[in-house]
Amino acid sequence: DTGVSQDPRHKITKRGQNVTFRCDPISEHNRLYWYRQTLGQGPEFLTYFQNEAQLEKSRLLSDRFSAERPKGSFSTLEIQRTEQGDSAMYLCASSPGQGVNNEQFFGPGTRLTVL
Amino acid sequence: AQKVTQAQTEISVVEKEDVTLDCVYETRDTTYYLFWYKQPPSGELVFLIRRNSFDEQNEISGRYSWNFQKSTSSFNFTITASQVVDSAVYFCALSVNQAGTALIFGKGTTLSVSS
Repeated sequence: DTGVSQDPRHKITKRGQNVTFRCDPISEHNRLYWYRQTLGQGPEFLTYFQNEAQLEKSRLLSDRFSAERPKGSFSTLEIQRTEQGDSAMYLCASSPGQGVNNEQFFGPGTRLTVL
Repeated sequence: AQKVTQAQTEISVVEKEDVTLDCVYETRDTTYYLFWYKQPPSGELVFLIRRNSFDEQNEISGRYSWNFQKSTSSFNFTITASQVVDSAVYFCALSVNQAGTALIFGKGTTLSVSS
């Protein structure tokens, strides 16, 4: 059984470019989350999916950010017109659908550097 | 509003010392969940424990123990006989139903264990 995987692990881009990250959750986990973590801080919630439905979005998720989970399996997070302030580690997590507030299992993250 | 405070930014101990990591949370909800995660140098967050607000029993797992006290809104984590492999950043997190299932993290405590 594999854990949560994320691709790529590292991304360096120039300001103004678009980037897309992928997350593959643990098999059969219905819930998928995106978080952002900057240096010296804890992860901050961005958005959450229950199967293919995006149920919650943080105010941190500006119009330049969009996330999808088209078939209820993997998810993508796209950032358009990147800014230097977008530089961070983007973490994906998944959890089983039963009950509420189950533990979330995190992937290794995608580290984004915007030059 | 919900908030998690980890007042200790960094702690340094020598192997075999006991160490306690503090966590204070704020919420007006009566139903909530508390978590601890470990983030080793490799970067991947590792789930350690989940506690719901109705269960104040302390828990012990090997060298790890957790002390949940609703009266002081604290959920402290103690490592007994620390080891070098315990060196990591430890995050306390809170989840409440009204905020969906997003985890609200503290800023983390960096634990350094030297031999």
